[in-house]
Amino acid sequence: EVQLVESGGGLVQPGRSLRLSCTASGFTFGDYAMSWFRQAPGKGLEWVSFIKSKAFGGTIEYAASVKGRFTISRDDSKSIAYLQMNSLKTEDTAMYYCGVYYRGLYWGHGTLVTVSS
Amino acid sequence: QAVVTQEPSLTVSPGGTVTLTCGSSTGAVTSGHYPYWFQQKPGQAPRTLIYDTSNKHSWTPARFSGSLLGGKAALTLSGAQPEDEAEYYCFLSYGGAGVFGGGTKLTVL
Repeated sequence: EVQLVESGGGLVQPGRSLRLSCTASGFTFGDYAMSWFRQAPGKGLEWVSFIKSKAFGGTIEYAASVKGRFTISRDDSKSIAYLQMNSLKTEDTAMYYCGVYYRGLYWGHGTLVTVSS
Repeated sequence: QAVVTQEPSLTVSPGGTVTLTCGSSTGAVTSGHYPYWFQQKPGQAPRTLIYDTSNKHSWTPARFSGSLLGGKAALTLSGAQPEDEAEYYCFLSYGGAGVFGGGTKLTVL
């Protein structure tokens, strides 16, 4: 059974950093692309970032709203995807979800990030 | 960045049929956009119903189907059930980057 568990969320002050983790199981992690998504309170879904598998070059993409501040990475030996978030802004407050493009798209349950002073 | 458009809200009668659509500001939606459809109920994470235009996950009820229709991606619900009341989002890929539509709030009434 495919499972994705996000962790690392919490309350952080503007300008600070946070690293989210997405721990995966139930499939061969290194073979599949991963994404991060987010949803601000009461708002719609937003795509944040994407990383391909190493077999496809490990290509990375970012949404314009986070480019230059967020970094996606993956550790295939641990089956974990990361999202390093720097220079956080109040508008980054959201539930953050990871997803794997495995025979479709599986979602985790999310981790809440609150950016506030 | 492309803008993806959905109907803000739709209403369907129980047992009825409704089609949700997903358009792109860049032109016609094609299979190359790998259209996805997600369902989200209040307080829950989204779940994928349709991927790559028309493929279903194992949990996708047979009453949902995906297609391309008139230059848009479409999600058709045939035989609506009360439990189908939810927010529905489409998602399109633009060469690696992804864009969500604003969501359609579907009411079954």
